[in-house]
Amino acid sequence: DTAVSQTPKYLVTQMGNDKSIKCEQNLGHDTMYWYKQDSKKFLKIMFSYNNKELIINETVPNRFSPKSPDKAHLNLHINSLELGDSAVYFCASSHPDRAYEQYFGPGTRLTVT
Amino acid sequence: KNQVEQSPQSLIILEGKNCTLQCNYTVSPFSNLRWYKQDTGRGPVSLTIMTFSENTKSNGRYTATLDADTKQSSLHITASQLSDSASYICVVSPFSGGYNKLIFGAGTRLAVHP
Repeated sequence: DTAVSQTPKYLVTQMGNDKSIKCEQNLGHDTMYWYKQDSKKFLKIMFSYNNKELIINETVPNRFSPKSPDKAHLNLHINSLELGDSAVYFCASSHPDRAYEQYFGPGTRLTVT
Repeated sequence: KNQVEQSPQSLIILEGKNCTLQCNYTVSPFSNLRWYKQDTGRGPVSLTIMTFSENTKSNGRYTATLDADTKQSSLHITASQLSDSASYICVVSPFSGGYNKLIFGAGTRLAVHP
């Protein structure tokens, strides 16, 4: 009965490849987020979707493209992977009017070689 | 300079001892402040949340304090257990009037040794 799940948990790939990370939440939340946690452990928001619509798009290269097929899913597709994309990516969800109360997934550790 | 600074970066204590983690922030105005616990290889999990008008909030052995005048918060852990070993992240939610974007500190990595 995992609340926010991500797949895969680990992803190792080569530079230039295209990869996707999937996120699903069963909390009934309307808002979902993608965060990147770098080697210094800072969590930085990348995208936020509310009911399948993009509401936050921080300064993220357009190689990153989120896709929300429905409000329970927010997938992250990354084109032409670069070494600097190596990080842990976290998905989160919340009610739209309680954005301060976010529930996080377990993370996906992406390693680009 | 990050808007949320935490200290110390890392801390080692013996099981059963108490410890206090610090968080200084410059975010203003802010809606609320939360402390998250992040176990290795897991996502952050919320421990406490305080609005700007609250001074203290407890959750079992975890007690958070907030001084909105000095823009400081602390997380006190009493009678530490091995399972307390984790990163503790201070997170401030700006009062943006719209969709709030959380601002994260870098965390304090706590190691509890037997």
